[in-house]
Amino acid sequence: GAVVSQHPSWVICKSGTSVKIECRSLDFQATTMFWYRQFPKQSLMLMATSNEGSKATYEQGVEKDKFLINHASLTLSTLTVTSAHPEDSSFYICSARLLQGHNQPQHFGDGTRLSIL
Amino acid sequence: EDKVVQSPLSLVVHEGDTVTLNCSYEVTNFRSLLWYKQEKKAPTFLFMLTSSGIEKKSGRLSSILDKKELFSILNITATQTGDSAVYLCAVVMNTGFQKLVFGTGTRLLVSP
Repeated sequence: GAVVSQHPSWVICKSGTSVKIECRSLDFQATTMFWYRQFPKQSLMLMATSNEGSKATYEQGVEKDKFLINHASLTLSTLTVTSAHPEDSSFYICSARLLQGHNQPQHFGDGTRLSIL
Repeated sequence: EDKVVQSPLSLVVHEGDTVTLNCSYEVTNFRSLLWYKQEKKAPTFLFMLTSSGIEKKSGRLSSILDKKELFSILNITATQTGDSAVYLCAVVMNTGFQKLVFGTGTRLLVSP
């Protein structure tokens, strides 16, 4: 089945640091990838939709200058949390879908737990 | 506002019991409904439902969609401790990106 790899799985860093998270589709090409944020015991909240070769589409309330998204190829999207602060600590999950316009489910990476001290 | 509501929020059962998890939705542009299982890490895909009244089945798990009443149920029979997880329901929006709107999830604990 479709496999999505996310790296790193855990990051602990100081306030003010920028952190980059990678999301790769390992055995398929994904024109669209999604980035979610999940707080403890809450559901997944969509942050942005990442499209290969174009600008990401951000959900309302998500700062695009804070969460930089780059979809450099059909198998890689990156999320950079710039100048991270403790309130950015969360579980970040990416997903990818095989083909646009077809009924294919999103497949999720294993997530990145980000802790800002 | 697009909304997906799951019930119950949490549930504790004994091994061997049958459980039914509920998902209701109010969205502007429905395409399909997905069920996921989330243990410690990211969600794993269970079912995709597009048409009303057609049951999807995988082992002890089954699911069905009612597009008239705007809900879906996920059934698990003969539960096992390995079924303990958060079960997430998500609606796929019929937009260009087919984004997902997730419910709050149902936390299931199966005790031995």
